[in-house]
Amino acid sequence: NAGVTQTPKFQVLKTGQSMTLQCAQDMNHEYMSWYRQDPGMGLRLIHYSVGAGITDQGEVPNGYNVSRSTTEDFPLRLLSAAPSQTSVYFCASSPGRGRMFFGEGSRLTVL
Amino acid sequence: AQSVTQPDIHITVSEGASLELRCNYSYGATPYLFWYVQSPGQGLQLLLKYFSGDTLVQGIKGFEAEFKRSQSSFNLRKPSVHWSDAAEYFCAVGLSSGSARQLTFGSGTQLTVLP
Repeated sequence: NAGVTQTPKFQVLKTGQSMTLQCAQDMNHEYMSWYRQDPGMGLRLIHYSVGAGITDQGEVPNGYNVSRSTTEDFPLRLLSAAPSQTSVYFCASSPGRGRMFFGEGSRLTVL
Repeated sequence: AQSVTQPDIHITVSEGASLELRCNYSYGATPYLFWYVQSPGQGLQLLLKYFSGDTLVQGIKGFEAEFKRSQSSFNLRKPSVHWSDAAEYFCAVGLSSGSARQLTFGSGTQLTVLP
């Protein structure tokens, strides 16, 4: 049982480049979300999805896009990377009642 | 909107000593409350949660937390810390309506354990 799988684990981008962070879960959870973690700021919600075809914005959505075509996958797209998007990104899925399963994170550096 | 405050950025304790990590929340109704732990290079793992009922909740790894409504607090405790407890700890609050799948996290407390 793999749980939540994120790829890549590390990525370096130049300003203006685009990329997609992949997230897949095998627990059949309807709810999935993306957080970014920055020093001293905890985790902040970027986007979330309550099921296939349904997505919504979290606290810090600007510069990011998501889609949810299947229950399993929830990719996060950076449209035009900026240095302010240097962060560690976590994908999570949840069966409800606050129990969240996190991936191991993707460390992104934007130069 | 709900918010979570963890006033201690960094705490250092000796192995075998007791531990208390503070968490205060702001929310208009009774929230769902959580503590998560993050080891270096890893994702977050749920330690314990409070939804309702007994205000003292037990979690994994010997941790417990007490919900105090009058103080809007949900402090995490452990009677005797082990070196393997060194990690970052996050308090989180979830909406008590619906299925509480959206969480707001505090900024975290880094725990260092001295031998």
